[in-house]
Amino acid sequence: NAGVTQTPKFQVLKTGQSMTLQCAQDMNHNSMYWYRQDPGMGLRLIYYSASEGTTDKGEVPNGYNVSRLNKREFSLRLESAAPSQTSVYFCASNRAPGEQYFGPGTRLTVT
Amino acid sequence: DAKTTQPTSMDCAEGRAANLPCNHSTISGNEYVYWYRQIHSQGPQYIIHGLKNNETNEMASLIITEDRKSSTLILPHATLRDTAVYYCIVSDGGSNYKLTFGKGTLLTVNP
Repeated sequence: NAGVTQTPKFQVLKTGQSMTLQCAQDMNHNSMYWYRQDPGMGLRLIYYSASEGTTDKGEVPNGYNVSRLNKREFSLRLESAAPSQTSVYFCASNRAPGEQYFGPGTRLTVT
Repeated sequence: DAKTTQPTSMDCAEGRAANLPCNHSTISGNEYVYWYRQIHSQGPQYIIHGLKNNETNEMASLIITEDRKSSTLILPHATLRDTAVYYCIVSDGGSNYKLTFGKGTLLTVNP
């Protein structure tokens, strides 16, 4: 099992550009999550998907959209990137209540 | 979910036990205590969780006080690779299993 994979690993965007962060899991988990982590901070939940076809906002959803394409894949889209969205983005899936498995992260810089 | 309090940082000698405390005095009866860690630049990693009984797995032991207001994560023989930020999280597993990460404890294992 590859677990949770994320692409790309690194990305630099200019202000106003758009991009999609991809996440996939091969563990047949129902719930998936997107977090962001800023320097010296804990993780903050952006969006989550409890099951295929459903998505809900987390703590910091503004400026982002998500798509739960199927059970395996959960993508995060930045429509018009801003410097405040410079962060490390982590995707996770949920094996059991509270037991989440995380991907390696995408390091995004917006200039 | 109940709030947790952890020390900002701790040191431990290699080969010794690392005991990481967490205070969660407002924990509710149906809330679990979860521990995660994040090694530098990697995604968080689930370690262990418990409700009221002590728990042990291949990574660590979790000791929860009888009144459940605090807990201790024990790494029995710390190695340099255990240097990481350790997060204590309290959650009832509801709300689609969302977790709230604080700033955690930076454990530094010294040779």
